[in-house]
Amino acid sequence: AQSVAQPEDQVNVAEGNPLTVKCTYSVSGNPYLFWYVQYPNRGLQFLLKYITGDNLVKGSYGFEAEFNKSQTSFHLKKPSALVSDSALYFCAVRDPNNAGKSTFGDGTTLTVKP
Amino acid sequence: DTGVSQDPRHKITKRGQNVTFRCDPISEHNRLYWYRQTLGQGPEFLTYFQNEAQLEKSRLLSDRFSAERPKGSFSTLEIQRTEQGDSAMYLCASSLGPGWDEQFFGPGTRLTVL
Repeated sequence: AQSVAQPEDQVNVAEGNPLTVKCTYSVSGNPYLFWYVQYPNRGLQFLLKYITGDNLVKGSYGFEAEFNKSQTSFHLKKPSALVSDSALYFCAVRDPNNAGKSTFGDGTTLTVKP
Repeated sequence: DTGVSQDPRHKITKRGQNVTFRCDPISEHNRLYWYRQTLGQGPEFLTYFQNEAQLEKSRLLSDRFSAERPKGSFSTLEIQRTEQGDSAMYLCASSLGPGWDEQFFGPGTRLTVL
């Protein structure tokens, strides 16, 4: 069975500081990993994904994530946070052998203060 | 690009009634997914279609739930004999095809069972 853990319900950072939103996963084999963002009263939006290749992937709005196989982690990062980055972030994993089913974490609320 | 649409956006019903939700995916997308999301949790996988074929169904989906995707276009999710525990946000997503593709989410249908 596949699973995702987002250990922090809430992350608070000051504008201009770097941010990290943590995600660890469990899946058999090599995973497909995704980050989505949800703004208030809007649907989930895709940010970035890891499929294979370079462990550091870059996505929308200046976000990036690093795949670490030994630590089974896929943390979301941004060098300089903006107030507009405040939102709910979800990590998701998919098993390539069962690539129809995605398992999501419970989300992390990011608050960026001016 | 019209995106994924869902109808209705809100549904209030009495316990024991049947409800049906509709999802229109992005037109060229072959895969369509249904999720359920409750407050404080990430989306939970319910089922997915590849064209008109329903390829996987979660054990969360009791016999009261049924989904269809006739002709591989729009999809419907029906809940029979609704229970208060069915109250949730029902999300639809679509993707172009391969398992590594990101999903595009609709705005969701919020169901309240009284």
